[in-house]
Amino acid sequence: EVVLTQSPATLSLSPGERATLSCRASQSVSTYLAWYQQKPGQAPRLLIYDASNRATGIPARFRGSGSGTDFTLTISSLEPEDFAVYYCQQRNNWPRSFGQGTKLEIK
Amino acid sequence: QVQLVQSGAEVKKPGASVKVSCKASGYIFTDYYMHWVRQAPGQGLEWMGWINPNSGGTNYGQKFQGRVTLTRDTSFNTAYMELSRLKSDDTAVYYCARDLRSYHYDSSGSFYFDDWGQGTLVTVSS
Repeated sequence: EVVLTQSPATLSLSPGERATLSCRASQSVSTYLAWYQQKPGQAPRLLIYDASNRATGIPARFRGSGSGTDFTLTISSLEPEDFAVYYCQQRNNWPRSFGQGTKLEIK
Repeated sequence: QVQLVQSGAEVKKPGASVKVSCKASGYIFTDYYMHWVRQAPGQGLEWMGWINPNSGGTNYGQKFQGRVTLTRDTSFNTAYMELSRLKSDDTAVYYCARDLRSYHYDSSGSFYFDDWGQGTLVTVSS
């Protein structure tokens, strides 16, 4: 089973700052990785798929990168609505799995 | 626009079964795999399985094999998730989620979850 480890667990930043979130896989998942954003009481929202492709309607400030075992989600300049929990997810291996999440909070 | 509307919250006793529905609109229901994902309170996300609404074919996560059954009714554009032999640690919000790609484009499903239902809280308690 592929374990996805996200870091940091919590990231405290201010609006306008740059956020860098990490997702490390226990074995290669090629580029078959997605990122989701989840706000309290809401369903997750797909941001990035295949490591670097933005989903429909996702602003350009969200950028995904990486391959193999190391992946990064970068938010170039934080907007107030970006503070949420972010999950990575792999589709290369069985079972399909998610990371434990990174909480992005307002400093 | 794509909409997935799920049935309401449920409270069940241990050992019972629960069936959650997910009504789809705004797209051709039979063209996209439908996945089910759950989230225990304060916890992360867990993929349970998918159904091909066109054929009725299913694929279940190993953890849920033998306990989960995914079905669909194409007349009502609705997918269903039934979980049996409930335990207290099945308490969670259950989501249906549409696959990102039409299966005409990706016959095995992309396993990326593009549109989600609002979630259904299932509480298992004696």
